[in-house]
Amino acid sequence: SQQGEEDPQALSIQEGENATMNCSYKTSINNLQWYRQNSGRGLVHLILIRSNEREKHSGRLRVTLDTSKKSSSLLITASRAADTASYFCATDAKGAQKLVFGQGTRLTINP
Amino acid sequence: NAGVMQNPRHLVRRRGQEARLRCSPMKGHSHVYWYRQLPEEGLKFMVYLQKENIIDESGMPKERFSAEFPKEGPSILRIQQVVRGDSAAYFCASYSGGASVNEQFFGPGTRLTVL
Repeated sequence: SQQGEEDPQALSIQEGENATMNCSYKTSINNLQWYRQNSGRGLVHLILIRSNEREKHSGRLRVTLDTSKKSSSLLITASRAADTASYFCATDAKGAQKLVFGQGTRLTINP
Repeated sequence: NAGVMQNPRHLVRRRGQEARLRCSPMKGHSHVYWYRQLPEEGLKFMVYLQKENIIDESGMPKERFSAEFPKEGPSILRIQQVVRGDSAAYFCASYSGGASVNEQFFGPGTRLTVL
């Protein structure tokens, strides 16, 4: 299986609730990034966490990184309908320049 | 500072035709990456180029696909004799090369439809 696998594949919650998405990877990394993609659109960079960081916040986003478990989580608090999108994690493996993306989590926020 | 530009945004080709996708990186960025996204999937790395050089083409199909990033002008991803399976969104990303973090900035993508 590929580097950067997200779960769940799909998540549907009510507006105002928190959404948590997880990402696992296989090799040692320099950084891990989260992106959002609205249907049929490009990627929007959300947050980058370095391998020596454990947690990072940006507005309603909270990202954690556990390098011992090779996993990361993205928490969106107080979700809004506008958060409906696909969310991807991407890893920047040591010794490589390319980003490796997971399959993504399709998040639906119900009003 | 304009972001990464890609054109065309949408491209329709018939089987057997050629597709040329263009990417202009952010100003000052000399590193370009191409990724492909099939429907309902994540992005897959295709090729990494610096000015006039292909650095990593491990994700490129062996036939029909080629990429270049000339000294002047945009990076071009060229697909010859397109087939229906080439239908996908193709994204370009650029990186300055000087930062300590490989933060890639993505363009809006070109959606290729092969009829």
